[in-house]
Amino acid sequence: NAGVTQTPKFQVLKTGQSMTLQCAQDMNHEYMSWYRQDPGMGLRLIHYSVGAGITDQGEVPNGYNVSRSTTEDFPLRLLSAAPSQTSVYFCASSLGGRTEAFFGQGTRLTVV
Amino acid sequence: AQRVTQPEKLLSVFKGAPVELKCNYSYSGSPELFWYVQYSRQRLQLLLRHISRESIKGFTADLNKGETSFHLKKPFAQEEDSAMYYCALGEDSSYKLIFGSGTRLLVRP
Repeated sequence: NAGVTQTPKFQVLKTGQSMTLQCAQDMNHEYMSWYRQDPGMGLRLIHYSVGAGITDQGEVPNGYNVSRSTTEDFPLRLLSAAPSQTSVYFCASSLGGRTEAFFGQGTRLTVV
Repeated sequence: AQRVTQPEKLLSVFKGAPVELKCNYSYSGSPELFWYVQYSRQRLQLLLRHISRESIKGFTADLNKGETSFHLKKPFAQEEDSAMYYCALGEDSSYKLIFGSGTRLLVRP
C-alpha cells in the first residue's frame, strides 16, 4: 500500500518557469489537499478538493492552480514560479477534514 | 476566523523531564483537534486526536473548551521524542484542516 506519493522530491526552478507537482493516493480518499511548509509559518493550506471535479482555495492560493479529474490524483501547478514560492510542499489525503490525514513525503522546491 | 496558535517555536528539555506543548484555538463551531508529528526525514503523521482520548507514545492531550486549548503532555520525555509537533483543527463546516505554526521539541540527554 503506497499511501500518498508525491513527485518530484526535489526541484529547482528559475523565476518565471512553470511546473506541476504530482500527488497520487491509492486509499480511495475523497479529500485531498496541498500545503506549503515554511519556517515559523507552519503548514498553510494552498488548495483542497472534496472529490473529483471539486476544488477550493485555502489560505494561500495565489500563484497556484489545481484540478481534480480523478479521485486518485491532485496535481499542483505553478504557472510562473517566483522566489516567494520556495518552500516544502506537502500533499495530504483523508476521508474528510475531520479524520486522519495521510501525508506525502514532501517536495522541496527552490526558485532562483 | 479560525486560528490555531502554538506560542513556542522551540521547546528544549532534558531527558526524563515533563513536557507540555501548548496549543490554543479560535473557532466558533465544534472543533476536532489533532496533534501531528514530523520526525527527522519522515513525513507528517498523526500522533493523536481528542475524540479518541488515547495515550500514544506516552503523550496525552485534553480538549479544554473553556480555555480553547489542546495542550500536548508527556510526563517523562525521551530523546526519541525530538521532532516537530503540529496542532491542527478540523472544521465542522468544511473539509479544511488548519495547522498551527509548529513547535520543535528537543530532548537533550
